[in-house]
Amino acid sequence: NAGVTQTPKFQVLKTGQSMTLQCAQDMNHEYMSWYRQDPGMGLRLIHYSVGAGITDQGEVPNGYNVSRSTTEDFPLRLLSAAPSQTSVYFCASRGGEEGATEAFFGQGTRLTVV
Amino acid sequence: AQTVTQSQPEMSVQEAETVTLSCTYDTSENNYYLFWYKQPPSRQMILVIRQEAYKQQNATENRFSVNFQKAAKSFSLKISDSQLGDTAMYFCAFTLYNFNKFYFGSGTKLNVKP
Repeated sequence: NAGVTQTPKFQVLKTGQSMTLQCAQDMNHEYMSWYRQDPGMGLRLIHYSVGAGITDQGEVPNGYNVSRSTTEDFPLRLLSAAPSQTSVYFCASRGGEEGATEAFFGQGTRLTVV
Repeated sequence: AQTVTQSQPEMSVQEAETVTLSCTYDTSENNYYLFWYKQPPSRQMILVIRQEAYKQQNATENRFSVNFQKAAKSFSLKISDSQLGDTAMYFCAFTLYNFNKFYFGSGTKLNVKP
């Protein structure tokens, strides 16, 4: 039972480079989200999706793009990496049915932009 | 706007003793869920306990229990018989009913001493 899988686990980028953080879930969850975790600030929502083809911005969307072409996958794209994007990134999913309250998290990606 | 506040950045407790972590939140909505997530050094986000706002009874899960005070918008976590494996960051989180945004506090780092 894989749950939510994020790749890669670690990444170092140079300023200005682009990359995609991958997220896949095998629980047929409708809801998926991306968060970034910074020291002293908890987790902040970047983008989220309520189903295939539907995405929306969260609290800190600038510099990031997302798309949701399938229920399973929700990649996060960094367009032009900046040192301020150094962070730990988490993907999460949740079922859309009644009572499905818990969010399931991937193991995170530690990204360093130099 | 929804906000979650954890005012204790770091706490320590002796093994086998009891510790309480504090959390307050702000919302004008009536239907929502509250959570405590644990993040050990492995970085994995693990659900500890959840509380539905419409339930007056406080949630319990083995050694973990909450004190939910809806009128005061307070949601504290009590850990009884603390164990070394409880050492972790603990995040308080909030989500509205049938909504795909989680709001997190800044976290409390708990250190259980032998």
